[in-house]
Amino acid sequence: SQKIEQNSEALNIQEGKTATLTCNYTNYSPAYLQWYRQDPGRGPVFLLLIRENEKEKRKERLKVTFDTTLKQSLFHITASQPADSATYLCALFLYNQGGKLIFGQGTELSVKP
Amino acid sequence: DTAVSQTPKYLVTQMGNDKSIKCEQNLGHDTMYWYKQDSKKFLKIMFSYNNKELIINETVPNRFSPKSPDKAHLNLHINSLELGDSAVYFCASSPPQLAGGLETQYFGPGTRLLVL
Repeated sequence: SQKIEQNSEALNIQEGKTATLTCNYTNYSPAYLQWYRQDPGRGPVFLLLIRENEKEKRKERLKVTFDTTLKQSLFHITASQPADSATYLCALFLYNQGGKLIFGQGTELSVKP
Repeated sequence: DTAVSQTPKYLVTQMGNDKSIKCEQNLGHDTMYWYKQDSKKFLKIMFSYNNKELIINETVPNRFSPKSPDKAHLNLHINSLELGDSAVYFCASSPPQLAGGLETQYFGPGTRLLVL
């Protein structure tokens, strides 16, 4: 069965630096990889999706890479701000399993002023 | 103008009781989901419905029964509540595949269930 892991539970960085979060998966089958943001007491909010034939996707200060050889996705937030502090979840979207999302355990990012 | 709404937001109840959580989306989406987030923040899918038809049913105890009266609503009924059912339950929805958005899910605010 598919498994997805985020390599750290918490990440602390200084404002202005680039935050890099890592997501690794196993037993890959045709899927897309997604990143969500979750604030305390709220539901996850979709940020970015990257398909298996894409190497990189950008949205404003966010960048996602997808390496199907390493079975890894990296999520970058450039010029980080305290408002970026939240838990970030990666998820495998299993297209051939009814659109099931398998989530990683999340990385709690804290950006200090 | 809430997109995906859930009621109640908080639910505190005794072991053995039966309770329901309601979910509604006004986005016109065809597919709706229920997820459970445990105390370690791990989010796991429970059920998925497409146009009122069950399409995903993970290994969930029979005490959990989803019901979809129409494609805008997906309710979750839980019988004989146990301590281990305490968690945050999230409803989500996604647009039709042909709209190119099946992959994107929109989550509700969550229902915090505490079983005593």
